[in-house]
Amino acid sequence: KAGVTQTPRYLIKTRGQQVTLSCSPISGHRSVSWYQQTPGQGLQFLFEYFSETQRNKGNFPGRFSGRQFSNSRSEMNVSTLELGDSALYLCASSYSGSSGETQYFGPGTRLLVL
Amino acid sequence: AQSVTQPDIHITVSEGASLELRCNYSYGATPYLFWYVQSPGQGLQLLLKYFSGDTLVQGIKGFEAEFKRSQSSFNLRKPSVHWSDAAEYFCAVGGLLSGGGADGLTFGKGTHLIIQP
Repeated sequence: KAGVTQTPRYLIKTRGQQVTLSCSPISGHRSVSWYQQTPGQGLQFLFEYFSETQRNKGNFPGRFSGRQFSNSRSEMNVSTLELGDSALYLCASSYSGSSGETQYFGPGTRLLVL
Repeated sequence: AQSVTQPDIHITVSEGASLELRCNYSYGATPYLFWYVQSPGQGLQLLLKYFSGDTLVQGIKGFEAEFKRSQSSFNLRKPSVHWSDAAEYFCAVGGLLSGGGADGLTFGKGTHLIIQP
């Protein structure tokens, strides 16, 4: 079974621009979660989607948004980019998103904001 | 609010020596505990997880972890490390949301493991 895939793997943007990251979960998985990883703040939960609905959201500003499609693929959007948004963005999928269920992580998209 | 503390930012161990990485958590309900490993430029790979039952959990790559409720700890151990174990290790806690659904994992800041030849 193919793992979680994320595209693109690397991205360079400038301040004020917006960016869209994509995540394809493991086949059959319906829950997709997004995390931001930075050297200073570590790994932080952004949001989780299940059946095209956002069920849970971390403590991030509204510039961070996402969506999920009927095939469970998910996109994350960051508008009005700031330098501090430079990070590794990780996507994780699980079958139903139940508590304690194993989340399988993708390789991440590394975003650099100049 | 839940939190995870990994007191050791860096740990250096000689190849073949034993390893213990510490993790302490704070969680208001029954926790689900995880250890993940991240190699440079890679995503996270699950080593093991604890939900309930036996407090000693076996994982992949020869790792194990012991849940101690009284100490709010979930330390990771390996009897003999290999050079390929050099990586970043993350402890994480999750749990049951009142409304159901995935409770986003709360991660520790990670422990960077260095293996000396």
